Amino acid sequence: SQKIEQNSEALNIQEGKTATLTCNYTNYSPAYLQWYRQDPGRGPVFLLLIRENEKEKRKERLKVTFDTTLKQSLFHITASQPADSATYLCAPDLEYTPLVFGKGTRLSVIA
Amino acid sequence: DTAVSQTPKYLVTQMGNDKSIKCEQNLGHDTMYWYKQDSKKFLKIMFSYNNKELIINETVPNRFSPKSPDKAHLNLHINSLELGDSAVYFCASSATGGNSPLHFGNGTRLTVT
Repeated sequence: SQKIEQNSEALNIQEGKTATLTCNYTNYSPAYLQWYRQDPGRGPVFLLLIRENEKEKRKERLKVTFDTTLKQSLFHITASQPADSATYLCAPDLEYTPLVFGKGTRLSVIA
Repeated sequence: DTAVSQTPKYLVTQMGNDKSIKCEQNLGHDTMYWYKQDSKKFLKIMFSYNNKELIINETVPNRFSPKSPDKAHLNLHINSLELGDSAVYFCASSATGGNSPLHFGNGTRLTVT
């Protein structure tokens, strides 16, 4: 069956450092991969989408990579700030089927 | 404001009751969804609906039923509530077609006592 694993349930990082979150998937080949941010008591908010033929996508301090050989996506936040503290969810996208999410990684950026 | 809104935000009820959660989107999207987030924060798809087609996650009990009076609304009806139904339920919408981002509401926390 399809499986999505996000490297760790929680990640603590010092302010100013780069946070790297990992998303691994098995038993399917998504054409796209989406990343979302979820704050406590709120719904997930879309951040970035990367296509299978794109190696890397950037948006301000965010960078996402997508390695279809390794079946892995990395999500980087550079110059992290306490306001980046949230849970980050990855969702490998099979196109035309409802998104299935990983369990998320709770990131805490410590001042 | 353009958004996905769901009501109520909190719902506390007793076992055996029937309840509904409403969802409305004014983004002009064709597809709407219901997700369930359990105590372990795992977000699971329950239904997707786009006017003509309802896709049901086979693990969802038939006590749960989505009802769409029009394209902008997808309400969730739950019959004979059970303790295990306690969770946060999220409504979402997207444009039709692959790789369209989802826009989520802020959730309804259902507590069954």
